[in-house]
Amino acid sequence: GAVVSQHPSWVICKSGTSVKIECRSLDFQATTMFWYRQFPKQSLMLMATSNEGSKATYEQGVEKDKFLINHASLTLSTLTVTSAHPEDSSFYICSASGLAGREQYFGPGTRLTVT
Amino acid sequence: GENVEQHPSTLSVQEGDSAVIKCTYSDSASNYFPWYKQELGKRPQLIIDIRSNVGEKKDQRIAVTLNKTAKHFSLHITETQPEDSAVYFCARTDSWGKLQFGAGTQVVVTP
Repeated sequence: GAVVSQHPSWVICKSGTSVKIECRSLDFQATTMFWYRQFPKQSLMLMATSNEGSKATYEQGVEKDKFLINHASLTLSTLTVTSAHPEDSSFYICSASGLAGREQYFGPGTRLTVT
Repeated sequence: GENVEQHPSTLSVQEGDSAVIKCTYSDSASNYFPWYKQELGKRPQLIIDIRSNVGEKKDQRIAVTLNKTAKHFSLHITETQPEDSAVYFCARTDSWGKLQFGAGTQVVVTP
């Protein structure tokens, strides 16, 4: 149980375009979903926390107008990178939790490359 | 937010030896301390976790110890095998329930 999927697994896009990444909890209802970004050889950095039906909470330094998060249902959250630039190239990983403060289940990640 | 300090950043061990990774934190409100193993290009995988009401937990070759007074926790891997080679991250929950990760330890187990 507790499977989280992400789509796509990798994407290459041109600078200035937008990219949407989906995160789904397949066998449980996720009250909270988290979005992380991981640059090569670095740790996971939390970008934002989203709760179903409410606005996402962004970490300091993360532009909410650039990284749009929608948590429309208890099984789906989306991250849209708007007007992507090469410096946005990274590994984006989501996680889902059924209860705040308890175990987070991670998705397989999405490798974004902006050319 | 509060940081988690993780040491060492790299660890090379001979197969069969033990590996120990240590983390420290400063927020006394933390009550959940997971450890993750991440292979290149893959998702972090939870390998063991410990809650603040427990001092030690063991699962086969992996153990975690927690000293809440000193605010540090450690991962112990015994009888290391080449497949243990990966990056290991410690983490803790903050007062909002969000995970804060350490910087990671690259473990290399040589045959």
